[in-house]
Amino acid sequence: EAQVTQNPRYLITVTGKKLTVTCSQNMNHEYMSWYRQDPGLGLRQIYYSMNVEVTDKGDVPEGYKVSRKEKRNFPLILESPSPNQTSLYFCASSHIAGGRYNEQFFGPGTRLTVL
Amino acid sequence: AQSVTQPDIHITVSEGASLELRCNYSYGATPYLFWYVQSPGQGLQLLLKYFSGDTLVQGIKGFEAEFKRSQSSFNLRKPSVHWSDAAEYFCAVASFSGGYNKLIFGAGTRLAVHP
Repeated sequence: EAQVTQNPRYLITVTGKKLTVTCSQNMNHEYMSWYRQDPGLGLRQIYYSMNVEVTDKGDVPEGYKVSRKEKRNFPLILESPSPNQTSLYFCASSHIAGGRYNEQFFGPGTRLTVL
Repeated sequence: AQSVTQPDIHITVSEGASLELRCNYSYGATPYLFWYVQSPGQGLQLLLKYFSGDTLVQGIKGFEAEFKRSQSSFNLRKPSVHWSDAAEYFCAVASFSGGYNKLIFGAGTRLAVHP
């Protein structure tokens, strides 16, 4: 089954304790992206990757890191989480074809609470 | 800059009543437009999309949306709402900035359905 998986689905942590949220896709997609969803703000892009070893900032990258060492995986790293990073996080992936939009497939979401 | 506005934060309708959720976008070129639904505790599900052609688009679960270029709108409609339609609905536009797929989301409209 074609899918995007995220782990963990739920996480409660404390300020300053490094954490990683994993994202994996089995569709051989070139493009992967992280969004955060906050009430009244919708989803905002954190980081994206066009392919292995190619990453770039989205609209709200502060406090986050990513890596893309393998095509299927795109982990989101919070080196020193703070309470304002409490949010619902979504990973998404798609193919890239020049000049047209390719449908993004979303993971199930990870609800993070930072105390 | 591209943006999406959903003017209604919360909407309450009675089961069986008709529904219209508003969405206005700002985008320089012909937009690719989407409606997603997020049921409580669930991920994002694509309801429908508009790329080109017929301006009235049919989606899943009995939803439809109409693209009106003159009004920069892409409103979502359903003739008869079911209790299971209670969810949060997001309108989004695809941006091709930098040659990649970026989705710009509205803030969302939370729909409550009264029996």
